[in-house]
Amino acid sequence: DTAVSQTPKYLVTQMGNDKSIKCEQNLGHDTMYWYKQDSKKFLKIMFSYNNKELIINETVPNRFSPKSPDKAHLNLHINSLELGDSAVYFCASSQVGRTPGNEQFFGPGTRLTVL
Amino acid sequence: DAKTTQPPSMDCAEGRAANLPCNHSTISGNEYVYWYRQIHSQGPQYIIHGLKNNETNEMASLIITEDRKSSTLILPHATLRDTAVYYCIALTGNQFYFGTGTSLTVIP
Repeated sequence: DTAVSQTPKYLVTQMGNDKSIKCEQNLGHDTMYWYKQDSKKFLKIMFSYNNKELIINETVPNRFSPKSPDKAHLNLHINSLELGDSAVYFCASSQVGRTPGNEQFFGPGTRLTVL
Repeated sequence: DAKTTQPPSMDCAEGRAANLPCNHSTISGNEYVYWYRQIHSQGPQYIIHGLKNNETNEMASLIITEDRKSSTLILPHATLRDTAVYYCIALTGNQFYFGTGTSLTVIP
């Protein structure tokens, strides 16, 4: 069973379009995250949600809007896609407070290509 | 969060121990040291973490110096499947800030 899953795995789209990436975790965790990994392989946190509430937004353009319908899902909607949005997006989850710092489980990633 | 510095790349012969160093000289007393790795095109994978004491699990050992300013991740018998980028992170709270990591290549 996949712990953290993302769909789609690949997404190719035109500049200016709006797209969504879905993430689901079956670990019972209360916190979910979105990371962006650019072409230089630098992995940077974008958002963190705890119990469906946003707790971190790391200087991400407001074209990016996370949506958490429940604790097991954190979707990422991107409006007016730009060339610079091309990257691999990773979803992750953790159980805050279980252990100090907690271990994050990552999904397989979604490779977004904007043409 | 404390900044960590790692060598950009390392090689290791298959079957030998891989020792990956990390400097975190500004680490504070409540910051844990976490290690993750990312095998090509996959999501990062948790390896091990520690605060003060050395730690060992089925994947690796973590040696933290007494002053906590540096640590070493040890893969005791490296295999080709251990080829990956290894990230050392000093963590406070729940936010991971990944650096550039060390690209480890295990050579047959």
